[in-house]
This record gives sequence, C-alpha cells and structure tokens, in this order.
Amino acid sequence: DAGVTQSPTHLIKTRGQQVTLRCSPKSGHDTVSWYQQALGQGPQFIFQYYEEEERQRGNFPDRFSGHQFPNYSSELNVNALLLGDSALYLCASSLMDTEAFFGQGTRLTVV
Amino acid sequence: DAKTTQPTSMDCAEGRAANLPCNHSTISGNEYVYWYRQIHSQGPQYIIHGLKNNETNEMASLIITEDRKSSTLILPHATLRDTAVYYCIVRVPLSNTGKLIFGQGTTLQVKP
Repeated sequence: DAGVTQSPTHLIKTRGQQVTLRCSPKSGHDTVSWYQQALGQGPQFIFQYYEEEERQRGNFPDRFSGHQFPNYSSELNVNALLLGDSALYLCASSLMDTEAFFGQGTRLTVV
Repeated sequence: DAKTTQPTSMDCAEGRAANLPCNHSTISGNEYVYWYRQIHSQGPQYIIHGLKNNETNEMASLIITEDRKSSTLILPHATLRDTAVYYCIVRVPLSNTGKLIFGQGTTLQVKP
C-alpha cells in the first residue's frame, strides 16, 4: 500500500503565477482533504472533496480551488500566487470520514 | 468543534514514559478525542482516538478522564524517533464534516 502520495515534493513559483498540486489517496479511500501549513503553525483546513464535489471549505479565498477525479485522486489549484501562499500543502485521505491519513506534503515557495 | 489546550513543549528522557496532557473542557457528548503527531517536515500521522474509555494500540495509550474534560496521551517507552509535535483534536467522526482543527500542539523533545 503506497499510502497517500503527493506531487511534486517541492515547487518554486513567482508571484502572480498559478500552481497545481496533486494527491493520490490511500487505496480504498474516497475522501480527500487539503490543508495549508505555514512555518511554525498547525495545518489549516482548506477544503474537502467527496464524490467529486467540494463538501466543506475552510476560510480560504476563491483563489484556492480543487477537483476530485472519478478515481478519487485530487488536485489543488492556487491562482494569482502571493508571497503569503508559501507553505507546506498537505493532502489527507479517509474512508467515509474515519481517521485521516496524510501525505508527506508539497513545499511551495513563492518568490 | 471544541477547542483544545496543550502545553507548548515538553521534554522526556529516552526509555521513559512520555505523558502528554490535553484539556478539552467544552467537549460535546458525541465528540471523540484524536491524537496526531508530526515529525519534522513530514505529514501528520494518526496515533489513536477514543470517546470515553481508555484506548491502547501499538503506538500509545489514551486516558480520558471520567468527565471527559481532559485526556493524556502516553508513549510508554519514548525513543528519539518520538520527537515530534503532538496534536490533540476533538471532533465528531462520520459526521461528514471532515475537517481537523489543529492547534499549536505540544513539541515533545526526547533526550538521550
């Protein structure tokens, strides 16, 4: 079992650009959540996808959007990048809202 | 979701038990206590969860007070690899809300 896999592991982007992060859930899991973790802080919930629909959203602007595919994998898109978007982006998967398993994250640096 | 309070940091000697406290005085009757940990630069790792009875698994034990207003995560024989930030979270499972609300957590430093 590969667990939750995220790609890429590291990424550097310029202010104003757009970025897409990818997540493959643990085998058998149908729910994917995304979190942003700034340096020295706990992860902050961005949104959750289930059955290809956004089910719940945290306090993040519309620049943050996502998608879930029929195979349950997911993408996180961030438009018009700001310096403050620099963070570790974590994907978590679960089956029917049971305990979540996290990937290793994507470290995004905006310069 | 109820708010939790944890000490900012703790030290523990290698081989000794690490006892990490968590206060959740506003916990609701249907909310469970979850513990996750995050080793530096990795994603959070699920440890254990419980409702009101004490729970034990291969990683740790969870002791929840009778009034459910506080709990303690116990790592029975801490190793250097247990150095991490430990998060205590309360939530309702299977509620289709999904989100975990992380606080600042407790940074546990296991020393040789």
